[in-house]
Amino acid sequence: KAGVTQTPRYLIKTRGQQVTLSCSPISGHRSVSWYQQTPGQGLQFLFEYFSETQRNKGNFPGRFSGRQFSNSRSEMNVSTLELGDSALYLCASSLGQISGLAGPYEQYFGPGTRLTVT
Amino acid sequence: KNQVEQSPQSLIILEGKNCTLQCNYTVSPFSNLRWYKQDTGRGPVSLTIMTFSENTKSNGRYTATLDADTKQSSLHITASQLSDSASYICVVSAGSNSGYALNFGKGTSLLVTP
Repeated sequence: KAGVTQTPRYLIKTRGQQVTLSCSPISGHRSVSWYQQTPGQGLQFLFEYFSETQRNKGNFPGRFSGRQFSNSRSEMNVSTLELGDSALYLCASSLGQISGLAGPYEQYFGPGTRLTVT
Repeated sequence: KNQVEQSPQSLIILEGKNCTLQCNYTVSPFSNLRWYKQDTGRGPVSLTIMTFSENTKSNGRYTATLDADTKQSSLHITASQLSDSASYICVVSAGSNSGYALNFGKGTSLLVTP
């Protein structure tokens, strides 16, 4: 069974630009979550989608948005990039039923997209 | 405020030795606690997930404990191997079916030397 895939793996953007990252979950998984990881802040939760609906959202500005398609693939978009957006963006999928990540479901992470904003 | 504190921040041990990593939390209402291992340049990999009623869970040489009364968890690594060198992250979920919040520790960086 293929794991979670994320594209692209590396990205360099300029301040003010926008970026779209893609995540393909494990087959059969309907829950997709996004995280930002930086050396200073560690892992931070961005949002979770289940069956095309955003189920939960972290404390990030509106520049960060996402969506999920009917095949469970998900994209996240960051508009008006800032230097502080440089980070590793991780996607994770799970079977996550109604209770999502509050429940005891395994989460499987992708390798991440390394975004550098210059 | 919900918080997760991990200690030590970093640790160096000799191959073959045991070690214990700590995770203290002030998260309510508690839902579950997860330990992840993250190798450099890769995504985290789940080691254990524990709910309120579980106080010990093992995954090979990794054993996690949970004391819900004191709000402490530990991850014990037995007979360490060079491949155990990684960052170990504790994540505590607060909430219920109607909503939840994830609280992350900053991680413990473990280096196992020959």
